[in-house]
Amino acid sequence: DAKTTQPPSMDCAEGRAANLPCNHSTISGNEYVYWYRQIHSQGPQYIIHGLKNNETNEMASLIITEDRKSSTLILPHATLRDTAVYYCIVRAFYGGATNKLIFGTGTLLAVQP
Amino acid sequence: NAGVTQTPKFQVLKTGQSMTLQCAQDMNHNSMYWYRQDPGMGLRLIYYSASEGTTDKGEVPNGYNVSRLNKREFSLRLESAAPSQTSVYFCASSEDRYTEAFFGQGTRLTVV
Repeated sequence: DAKTTQPPSMDCAEGRAANLPCNHSTISGNEYVYWYRQIHSQGPQYIIHGLKNNETNEMASLIITEDRKSSTLILPHATLRDTAVYYCIVRAFYGGATNKLIFGTGTLLAVQP
Repeated sequence: NAGVTQTPKFQVLKTGQSMTLQCAQDMNHNSMYWYRQDPGMGLRLIYYSASEGTTDKGEVPNGYNVSRLNKREFSLRLESAAPSQTSVYFCASSEDRYTEAFFGQGTRLTVV
């Protein structure tokens, strides 16, 4: 399974864009990049995922580099409620029915007022 | 819409006791997962079930057993609890290998 590397913590001012980087240099061609977040020990919440094209939804944008070795999650207008641990995950799946979702240590995003 | 429901929410066990953590989802998902999260750490996969009738080990399966009772339910059993199993346990489900996983609110287990 490809591993991910994220900074342990980041700060962002309220109302500004939060850009969270993730390195996944060993990603395989059929592996997706997923982002989840966990607010104060609640169950993790899905944010967005992508394969090689940039993706956008109501929560965030995901920018994946052309070589797919890194990606950036963008929260366009961060609020205090976005303070959470953000996990970048490369989803491993094989030819059969296996479907692992392996979490790393994530980035603690602290949105400052 | 309940989503993923875990029971109990809190539990205290004595060393050597056994217990089963229950998880049920009402989204007709094929895949289900059990994770543990220790203080200040990320989630670690214990076991997963890609579909009804199948289970596979994750990163930290030792000391645990699982049962995929039916498509809806996936239980995690501790046969002889140890203090090292003190953790928050999360259950999750997803429709298939490509779709997002939905998590329960967790079971906080303390083994004394």
